[in-house]
Amino acid sequence: GAVVSQHPSRVICKSGTSVKIECRSLDFQATTMFWYRQFPKKSLMLMATSNEGSKATYEQGVEKDKFLINHASLTLSTLTVTSAHPEDSSFYICSARDPAGMGAFFGQGTRLTVV
Amino acid sequence: GENVEQHPSTLSVQEGDSAVIKCTYSDSASNYFPWYKQELGKGPQLIIDIRSNVGEKKDQRIAVTLNKTAKHFSLHITETQPEDSAVYFCAASGSGNTPLVFGKGTRLSVIA
Repeated sequence: GAVVSQHPSRVICKSGTSVKIECRSLDFQATTMFWYRQFPKKSLMLMATSNEGSKATYEQGVEKDKFLINHASLTLSTLTVTSAHPEDSSFYICSARDPAGMGAFFGQGTRLTVV
Repeated sequence: GENVEQHPSTLSVQEGDSAVIKCTYSDSASNYFPWYKQELGKGPQLIIDIRSNVGEKKDQRIAVTLNKTAKHFSLHITETQPEDSAVYFCAASGSGNTPLVFGKGTRLSVIA
């Protein structure tokens, strides 16, 4: 299947700092990517839809100024957690749909720990 | 918007037995129904998917069935093995670049 690569897989940062997570579609172009957040033993919650060349669409309750999304190319979307706080600690996962087969594939996820 | 319900939340089976996980969805416009396997600390892995123009799809020990009239779809795993133990998520979405809506997951334990 199609490959979506996400980096880093794990990051620890201090409160108040910012962290950038990258999501790449390796073998297809993705005009749209999705960012999810997952709490322990819970399902995936959609945070935002990342659109290449335009602003991201955020779900209700997600702070767009805190979770900055940039989709500058057809193969790369980034999520920046700004001024991170311990409550931002979570598992963040990106996804992209393969336009050829329309399958939806996920990155490996990023475990963010804010101390 | 779409709402996906998944049952059961936990499932234990003996090795070699079959496991069945069921999901229902609410939006009749949804036409793509994937299933994911997620192991601890990893992203979800697509294991099989089905589209609304198909009633059943099989890939070795894994099969998915879809009933559009009743708005439900199911995952069937036959001859289960310990390495099948994981959390399984169903999801539903429309066509194009629409996001997936996930069920709450099923923790499958295969007992050797």
